[in-house]
Amino acid sequence: GENVEQHPSTLSVQEGDSAVIKCTYSDSASNYFPWYKQELGKRPQLIIDIRSNVGEKKDQRIAVTLNKTAKHFSLHITETQPEDSAVYFCAAKWMRNTPLVFGKGTRLSVIA
Amino acid sequence: NAGVTQTPKFQVLKTGQSMTLQCAQDMNHNSMYWYRQDPGMGLRLIYYSASEGTTDKGEVPNGYNVSRLNKREFSLRLESAAPSQTSVYFCASMAGNQPQHFGDGTRLSIL
Repeated sequence: GENVEQHPSTLSVQEGDSAVIKCTYSDSASNYFPWYKQELGKRPQLIIDIRSNVGEKKDQRIAVTLNKTAKHFSLHITETQPEDSAVYFCAAKWMRNTPLVFGKGTRLSVIA
Repeated sequence: NAGVTQTPKFQVLKTGQSMTLQCAQDMNHNSMYWYRQDPGMGLRLIYYSASEGTTDKGEVPNGYNVSRLNKREFSLRLESAAPSQTSVYFCASMAGNQPQHFGDGTRLSIL
């Protein structure tokens, strides 16, 4: 089965700086990689996702890159703002009817 | 379009009591999932249903049972609640490799 490792577990950045969170996965057959943001007391919400036929995807200040050879994918947040403070989870999916496998999360703090 | 709806939102139980958490989705998704999230921790999969009529164990199934009542509804039952089951429970649904959507969660305390 799939295994997803996420680093770092905590990350503090100054407002306006960039933040990068990295995940590695074990199964080369994985083909769908979403990122979720969870604010305190709220449900996880999808912020961006990428499929294995794409190397990079951007949405305003957020981007995800995928390196299939190395089996890792990363979330990049530019020009961070205090409202970006949250826990971020990466995930991977390797077959249509199998569940997402989540990383353990990264707690991002943006310091004003 | 409500997405994924969970009931109740909050519940306090005594040790040994039983209860059922309800989940319904209106997005016509085939797959549904139950997770638990302990304070400051990640998401742990309890059970999932890849399609109507099937259920499978996840990472932490002990002490729980599930029923996929129909395509829309997936319930989670605690037969004899224990303090270790105090947690926030999230239901989610997904279709193929499309985005997975979560409900707002049920905050369960067992005394």
